[in-house]
Amino acid sequence: ETGVTQTPRHLVMGMTNKKSLKCEQHLGHNAMYWYKQSAKKPLELMFVYSLEERVENNSVPSRFSPECPNSSHLFLHLHTLQPEDSALYLCASSQERGSGYNEQFFGPGTRLTVL
Amino acid sequence: GDSVTQMEGPVTLSEEACLTINCTYTATGYPSLFWYVQYPGEGLQLLLKATKADDKGSNKGFEATYRKETTSFHLEKGSVQVSDSAVYFCALNTGGFKTIFGAGTRLFVKA
Repeated sequence: ETGVTQTPRHLVMGMTNKKSLKCEQHLGHNAMYWYKQSAKKPLELMFVYSLEERVENNSVPSRFSPECPNSSHLFLHLHTLQPEDSALYLCASSQERGSGYNEQFFGPGTRLTVL
Repeated sequence: GDSVTQMEGPVTLSEEACLTINCTYTATGYPSLFWYVQYPGEGLQLLLKATKADDKGSNKGFEATYRKETTSFHLEKGSVQVSDSAVYFCALNTGGFKTIFGAGTRLFVKA
């Protein structure tokens, strides 16, 4: 595997289910991100982890729970979601060097549908 | 707060036509500016970037110039191909982890 991979690619769940999204980066990066992409809306940054510590949490509802067990893996645990949470969830990674901008590399996303 | 506004799509062009996708921004600092592209079924990829005023980013025939006086970063290509059909995102970063993205502009190129 190369780049950033995400599983599953598609997920359909009921509002009472619990599921998890997985992201893995094979680039040796030290920062990982979760974004939400909804139709006709800008990408929404949800969480950022740098060196496995959460450094950004953009007022995301508690029904979304991230986990970063090591610098290569990032999870998004989902429970009691709402239909408006249906979206494409994108994972990204970057090598942060403390100054300037570093390119983010994105995975293909998980298309989530909440019934 | 910082923001990015880009033209709504979809934009439909014939092959070999000229492309311009407008992007303007609001930022309190001195941002770096980017264009990302998302092909069907894939994640976003960095297309080009510019880190200071008057810089021109270019890649794969696409260009964009960082215009501080008009706070703009319009994406241009002289001759589009069917393979350029995708969604294009303008974005800015003023340092740190937070990159602000526009809503995206979908481009369809017809053969």
